Amino acid sequence: KNEVEQSPQNLTAQEGEFITINCSYSVGISALHWLQQHPGGGIVSLFMLSSGKKKHGRLIATINIQEKHSSLHITASHPRDSAVYICAVVTNYGGSQGNLIFGKGTKLSVKP
Amino acid sequence: EAGVVQSPRYKIIEKKQPVAFWCNPISGHNTLYWYLQNLGQGPELLIRYENEEAVDDSQLPKDRFSAERLKGVDSTLKIQPAELGDSAVYLCASSSITGELFFGEGSRLTVL
Repeated sequence: KNEVEQSPQNLTAQEGEFITINCSYSVGISALHWLQQHPGGGIVSLFMLSSGKKKHGRLIATINIQEKHSSLHITASHPRDSAVYICAVVTNYGGSQGNLIFGKGTKLSVKP
Repeated sequence: EAGVVQSPRYKIIEKKQPVAFWCNPISGHNTLYWYLQNLGQGPELLIRYENEEAVDDSQLPKDRFSAERLKGVDSTLKIQPAELGDSAVYLCASSSITGELFFGEGSRLTVL
């Protein structure tokens, strides 16, 4: 079992739809990142969370530390939101403290 | 301010040849990561530096891969000799003391 699991792996939505991407992790963490990668492009950090909720424009990220779960929401989705969204956790244990463990990503395609 | 700068962006070499990638992190970022990303996969850690010290190189294939960050600023990742399976994108990232994460555009390696 991967230490960071994302769902769904692939997601197709119609423009305007509300989108949720989920991330569950099984290790101790100090923070969690949501990252965005457009096809052929670099990776951009959207959010860094250690608790609660953050909002930036149409994007909302939440984390529940007790349940070891985070969600990324996109409201009023747009074709330019089409990208791979990656969840990454910062470990807080042992010799790997401070390392990033990545999920496999969720490929989002928003149709006009 | 410039982001994380990587070069070259693209490199095509024949197998058994050496190759080197360079990364200049954001000024003041003490933590530097090298990742390998295969198509459709999440990034995999190769090595993490805190200043000039390699704090985690457990995933670096040391028979052919080497890295250095001599003055705790820019870093070089070398592969010698390259194999067909090394074809991938090599990503460099740096993070600030607050944990904010920034990625370079990556260096895409093709080994023929």
